[in-house]
Amino acid sequence: GNSVTQMEGPVTLSEEAFLTINCTYTATGYPSLFWYVQYPGEGLQLLLKATKADDKGSNKGFEATYRKETTSFHLEKGSVQVSDSAVYFCALSKDFGNEKLTFGTGTRLTIIP
Amino acid sequence: NAGVTQTPKFQVLKTGQSMTLQCAQDMNHNSMYWYRQDPGMGLRLIYYSASEGTTDKGEVPNGYNVSRLNKREFSLRLESAAPSQTSVYFCASTRTLGPYEQYFGPGTRLTVT
Repeated sequence: GNSVTQMEGPVTLSEEAFLTINCTYTATGYPSLFWYVQYPGEGLQLLLKATKADDKGSNKGFEATYRKETTSFHLEKGSVQVSDSAVYFCALSKDFGNEKLTFGTGTRLTIIP
Repeated sequence: NAGVTQTPKFQVLKTGQSMTLQCAQDMNHNSMYWYRQDPGMGLRLIYYSASEGTTDKGEVPNGYNVSRLNKREFSLRLESAAPSQTSVYFCASTRTLGPYEQYFGPGTRLTVT
């Protein structure tokens, strides 16, 4: 079946540090890949997505590239801010017409000033 | 637009009690979902409704029932609550066709004692 593995947290960084959160997936065919973010006390929000190999999703300074050869979709940001503190979830959606998402376990990120 | 709304925000139940979690969306989405979020396990799909009039089991359906009341509303019922159902419950919705991004409600924090 489909699965998503993402790096264990928690991750603590200083403001302006470089961020990488690793995500790899298992799925047949060509899934769509997503990063969702959950701020404290809120529901999940879509951060970025990529729907085919070599696509780069980007939003709010975050980027992730869909790498089919390594089945990865790592999240990166060049300079994190305190406001980026949240839990980040990698997810995939497989098969046209099947909208079910498979989530990773989430990575809690804390940015200290 | 309110997006996806959920009620209640918090609930405490005793073992064996029943309750219904309500969810509504105003985005004219066809598909709706119920997830539970537990520490270290990410989000797991309980039930989903691909379109009005249809419902299907997800990964963890035992102990739950759902009703797709109309296109806007999708409720989740616990008939006889158990401590293992202590969790945060999220409702989500998406268009049937498209890039499969899901829009989440703010969640219901349920404690079963």
